[in-house]
Amino acid sequence: AQSVTQPDIHITVSEGASLELRCNYSYGATPYLFWYVQSPGQGLQLLLKYFSGDTLVQGIKGFEAEFKRSQSSFNLRKPSVHWSDAAEYFCAVVTTSGTYKYIFGTGTRLKVLA
Amino acid sequence: DTEVTQTPKHLVMGMTNKKSLKCEQHMGHRAMYWYKQKAKKPPELMFVYSYEKLSINESVPSRFSPECPNSSLLNLHLHALQPEDSALYLCASSQGWGEYQPQHFGDGTRLSIL
Repeated sequence: AQSVTQPDIHITVSEGASLELRCNYSYGATPYLFWYVQSPGQGLQLLLKYFSGDTLVQGIKGFEAEFKRSQSSFNLRKPSVHWSDAAEYFCAVVTTSGTYKYIFGTGTRLKVLA
Repeated sequence: DTEVTQTPKHLVMGMTNKKSLKCEQHMGHRAMYWYKQKAKKPPELMFVYSYEKLSINESVPSRFSPECPNSSLLNLHLHALQPEDSALYLCASSQGWGEYQPQHFGDGTRLSIL
């Protein structure tokens, strides 16, 4: 069965430091992968998506993610974190078993220190 | 600004009340979704509508009744809810169901059951 794992429940970084959030998926074929961010009291905002092609994907707010098939990973990165990036981050994969549902990871809560 | 609008933002209701959550999008999307999100958890899919027809019901209790009056509107009718139904209810839309297009989320309705 398809699954998504986000190994880090919490991550704390200092403002201006670099960031990498990990996401591992379990899927036999080429997955359709997404990263979403959820600020407190708000819905989910799409940061970026990967369907095929270039394995380095650029998103909004200065985020990027790299798809690595050999490691079954789709890690999210940002070179310099801003205080406003503090939020919950969800990785998701779309099922292709005829139901086309999102499978979300459990999320990573990012805290940014001033 | 989110392109999926949900009302109300907050709702407090008793277990015997009847209320409705509303969701609206004007992006021309033909698939709409209801999710339930408990604190510190990822969203859980409840229903999927495709071209105004119910396509997926994730074994949701009958006290939740979805309705899609037209391609822009999605309602969730609530009746005789239980305290464990207190959660953030998110609406989302996508260009089509089964097309691997990203879902766009509203900011949700925070529901509290007394």
